[in-house]
Amino acid sequence: EVQLVESGGGLIQPGGSLRLSCAASGFAVSSNYLSWVRQAPGKGLEFVSLIYSGGGTYDADSVKGRFTISRDNSKNTLYLQMNSLRAEDTAVYYCARQHNSGWNWGQGTLVTVSS
Amino acid sequence: DIQMTQSPSTLSASVGDRVTITCRASQSISIWLAWYQQKPGKAPKLLIYKASSLESGVPSRFSGSGSGTEFTLTISSLQPDDFGTYYCQQYSTYITFGQGTRLEIK
Repeated sequence: EVQLVESGGGLIQPGGSLRLSCAASGFAVSSNYLSWVRQAPGKGLEFVSLIYSGGGTYDADSVKGRFTISRDNSKNTLYLQMNSLRAEDTAVYYCARQHNSGWNWGQGTLVTVSS
Repeated sequence: DIQMTQSPSTLSASVGDRVTITCRASQSISIWLAWYQQKPGKAPKLLIYKASSLESGVPSRFSGSGSGTEFTLTISSLQPDDFGTYYCQQYSTYITFGQGTRLEIK
């Protein structure tokens, strides 16, 4: 069974850093397209970052230069390193996997940026 | 970037009604479109992928159609549990979401 379990969220001050993790099971992170998607309170879904099976990455303009997506194949885990956090980064962060028969999503982890 | 325009923004319908939600892409995305249902406090639930493929376990009253730039999600006979917010997602080039359709049951 495929599972994605996010962790690492919490309360952080503006300007701070946080690393989110997404532990995968039932498939290999090295062989799939994986993404981070976020949802601010009361708002819609917003793409954040994508990592291809070949290792290439793509970031939304809103996080470019501040967030970095990566993966550890040995731990079968996806990461999102978030630096220079702003109040507008407050959101539930989901990891998602694209595959031939659709998409799998995790349950999300809440990041709150506030002083 | 590919923009996704979803309509309507809100929809109120009665149990048994046929409901249609539309999503338009700013350029062709072939069939690389998914539809999700989201309820408060929960992760999005995949309903349809590749524009018209029904996700396993999703009731057959849900269907998707379209290709290129015009797509629709249809609920053939609305049920009380179908309330929530519906999103389209293109995954032809990176990922973009529609702004959502809030479906209320009358």
